[in-house]
Amino acid sequence: DQQVKQNSPSLSVQEGRISILNCDYTNSMFDYFLWYKKYPAEGPTFLISISSIKDKNEDGRFTVFLNKSAKHLSLHIVPSQPGDSAVYFCAASASNNDMRFGAGTRLTVKP
Amino acid sequence: EAQVTQNPRYLITVTGKKLTVTCSQNMNHEYMSWYRQDPGLGLRQIYYSMNVEVTDKGDVPEGYKVSRKEKRNFPLILESPSPNQTSLYFCASSTLIYNEQFFGPGTRLTVL
Repeated sequence: DQQVKQNSPSLSVQEGRISILNCDYTNSMFDYFLWYKKYPAEGPTFLISISSIKDKNEDGRFTVFLNKSAKHLSLHIVPSQPGDSAVYFCAASASNNDMRFGAGTRLTVKP
Repeated sequence: EAQVTQNPRYLITVTGKKLTVTCSQNMNHEYMSWYRQDPGLGLRQIYYSMNVEVTDKGDVPEGYKVSRKEKRNFPLILESPSPNQTSLYFCASSTLIYNEQFFGPGTRLTVL
């Protein structure tokens, strides 16, 4: 039972344009959401997070939006750069550090 | 340098031969966890530990054991590996307050 779903296995965008990665969850007890980025042959690295008391969190080119009623979050990258090409994992937890991850979306940013 | 280390990075073994993958962190984190990554399934949690001598099952604990005798170490033990445990394994750690986990570089395990 996958409680966190990333329905797009891949996404390709042009350098300078916006990348939008989507994530849906089913467990209403989740109260903290994170995005991780993963390059080949490396472990995932934390990118940005959002608490359920917020609907938006911004960090430079990266913004995460949370829609609790729709159980949906998204990651916006503006402007996209070739170095952003990686696999992005959405994750969620329910106040006990027990983390659930999505299947990941492979982002390719073309020069 | 703050880091999570895993050893070995690559391992090829045969069915039934016991193995241990070590994980160590130098950030004094209370929380440690093991995940496996499989195509189309993302990261699935195997076991986690909130502190020394405290461990709990994650989503896919069958066929694995863990121990947490020291705060910095969290080894993953496969008593009798099987081919369906062929996967990429990640260890991670974090504080209990902040959920942002630090991941190790991964261990690619092949069970023949």
